[in-house]
Amino acid sequence: KAGVTQTPRYLIKTRGQQVTLSCSPISGHRSVSWYQQTPGQGLQFLFEYFSETQRNKGNFPGRFSGRQFSNSRSEMNVSTLELGDSALYLCASSIGLAGESSYNEQFFGPGTRLTVL
Amino acid sequence: QKEVEQDPGPLSVPEGAIVSLNCTYSNSAFQYFMWYRQYSRKGPELLMYTYSSGNKEDGRFTAQVDKSSKYISLFIRDSQPSDSATYLCAIIKAAGNKLTFGGGTRVLVKP
Repeated sequence: KAGVTQTPRYLIKTRGQQVTLSCSPISGHRSVSWYQQTPGQGLQFLFEYFSETQRNKGNFPGRFSGRQFSNSRSEMNVSTLELGDSALYLCASSIGLAGESSYNEQFFGPGTRLTVL
Repeated sequence: QKEVEQDPGPLSVPEGAIVSLNCTYSNSAFQYFMWYRQYSRKGPELLMYTYSSGNKEDGRFTAQVDKSSKYISLFIRDSQPSDSATYLCAIIKAAGNKLTFGGGTRVLVKP
């Protein structure tokens, strides 16, 4: 079974530009979550999509947005890039049927390393 | 104050030693406790997860949760150079997929 794939793996942009990152989840997984990883703040949750709907959102400004397609693939977009947006962006997929007393393992992709100059 | 605190290390141990890692958390609503391992230039991979207080063992790895103290631990026995990585604790509330991570501890196992 193929794992979570993310494209591109590396990206260099300049301040003010916008960027779109892509994530293909494991086949059969309906939930995709996005995280930002930086040396200073560590891994922080951005948002989660399940069946094309945003189900959960972290504390990031509106410049960060995402969407999910009917095949569960997801994209995240960052507009008006700032230097502080330089980070490793990770996506994780899971079956997505978490209930009150259950946990669905999240499988992470290798990440997209974004550098903003 | 961060919801999950973890000593960043680095933690350097000789091969064969026991590696001891821990995290503290502040919100008693957290119910699932995970340990992830992350190698350089890779995404995190799940090592273990526990739901209740107590110990859980898997091969050379033992996870401990003490909900009364809001303290979680991971022990790696007979450590190998291939265990050199960053270890992240992560916690989740019930019925949700939002992982709250500790900052990660870098571990170096020297041959």
